[in-house]
Amino acid sequence: DGGITQSPKYLFRKEGQNVTLSCEQNLNHDAMYWYRQDPGQGLRLIYYSQIVNDFQKGDIAEGYSVSREKKESFPLTVTSAQKNPTAFYLCASTLTDNTEAFFGQGTRLTVV
Amino acid sequence: DAKTTQPPSMDCAEGRAANLPCNHSTISGNEYVYWYRQIHSQGPQYIIHGLKNNETNEMASLIITEDRKSSTLILPHATLRDTAVYYCIVRIFGGTSYGKLTFGQGTILTVHP
Repeated sequence: DGGITQSPKYLFRKEGQNVTLSCEQNLNHDAMYWYRQDPGQGLRLIYYSQIVNDFQKGDIAEGYSVSREKKESFPLTVTSAQKNPTAFYLCASTLTDNTEAFFGQGTRLTVV
Repeated sequence: DAKTTQPPSMDCAEGRAANLPCNHSTISGNEYVYWYRQIHSQGPQYIIHGLKNNETNEMASLIITEDRKSSTLILPHATLRDTAVYYCIVRIFGGTSYGKLTFGQGTILTVHP
């Protein structure tokens, strides 16, 4: 079955450590997105990519980094520079036309 | 980038139509309007989208005003399972922000018996 997979579902890290969240899709989608969601809040865009080897900052990119070496994969690294990394992270993918985006089930990151 | 404005919360009786408004007064000609919903911090689920014409699918109807500055999502017969956060989004198809998909705060819809 085609879909978008985020792993792991829950992730715990110590403060000061970098951590990488995985996002893989087998939908042959060109565009991929990373969002952050805090309790009771909407989704905020971190980074997005329309094509391999290219990506753009979203609204809250500070303290995060991404790569897009393969069409299927768009990993997000939460660096130690991110002051409040504990959050729910969602990945999405879509074609570059006006069809809908598909979302993964999210990774809940807790930094202690 | 066009911003969207939605009421923070709405109530609806089960079996009645739920009409969720969205304001996108700065929308440009190359921006589509999308609606998603999110239940219990799962990944958002796509509902419907449109450019300027009204749209209908098995889940909902989307009514876009002629000037495109606002839209309304209609769930014709709301059920308890429609209780969720509903997001109205504009997506850009032009310029340096091509493909950018930005969410707002959404509307919490509560369907009650």
